[in-house]
Amino acid sequence: DVKVTQSSRYLVKRTGEKVFLECVQDMDHENMFWYRQDPGLGLRLIYFSYDVKMKEKGDIPEGYSVSREKKERFSLILESASTNQTSMYLCASRPPGGVPTYEQYFGPGTRLTVT
Amino acid sequence: QQQVKQSPQSLIVQKGGISIINCAYENTAFDYFPWYQQFPGKGPALLIAIRPDVSEKKEGRFTISFNKSAKQFSLHIMDSQPGDSATYFCAASKGSNYKLTFGKGTLLTVNP
Repeated sequence: DVKVTQSSRYLVKRTGEKVFLECVQDMDHENMFWYRQDPGLGLRLIYFSYDVKMKEKGDIPEGYSVSREKKERFSLILESASTNQTSMYLCASRPPGGVPTYEQYFGPGTRLTVT
Repeated sequence: QQQVKQSPQSLIVQKGGISIINCAYENTAFDYFPWYQQFPGKGPALLIAIRPDVSEKKEGRFTISFNKSAKQFSLHIMDSQPGDSATYFCAASKGSNYKLTFGKGTLLTVNP
């Protein structure tokens, strides 16, 4: 069964802290994604990675960076957390191109509060 | 620029009724249109998807209708049940591009 796990369900951090959000998938997928979900704004892509050590900016990369040292793990880093980064963060993975459905498999999300 | 516009933002339907959620897109290069369903406390999960070479796809009580000329597609949930209460997102992508562009979501409530 497909599984994407995120290290924390809830996280509270202070302004200015460096924050790491971890995501692990067990499906040997090459493509991994980080989204943030805010009420009324839907899912917005922050970064994605199509292979180990490869990454591309999504639609809202400002204030974030990512790391992918191993195929199964994709980390989102908030270099200096700010209150406007309070949000639900969702990780997803997807099989490589050519698969007919292009389905993305999502983790349960991490609700981050920055105070 | 919002490439996928979804409406309504929220929807209340009685049990047994039909739920209809609409999406419109701008980029004619899009060629894959999925719908995702998200229950509270869970990540979104693929519900049903369609490609523009067909006008309709049905899976159980869920149907996607696709109008290529109008650049619109919609999700119909027949015989809606309280267990269908969730947030629904439409999305679109092009070719083997990894990225999905999501609509803003519709919160569906089905009253018993």
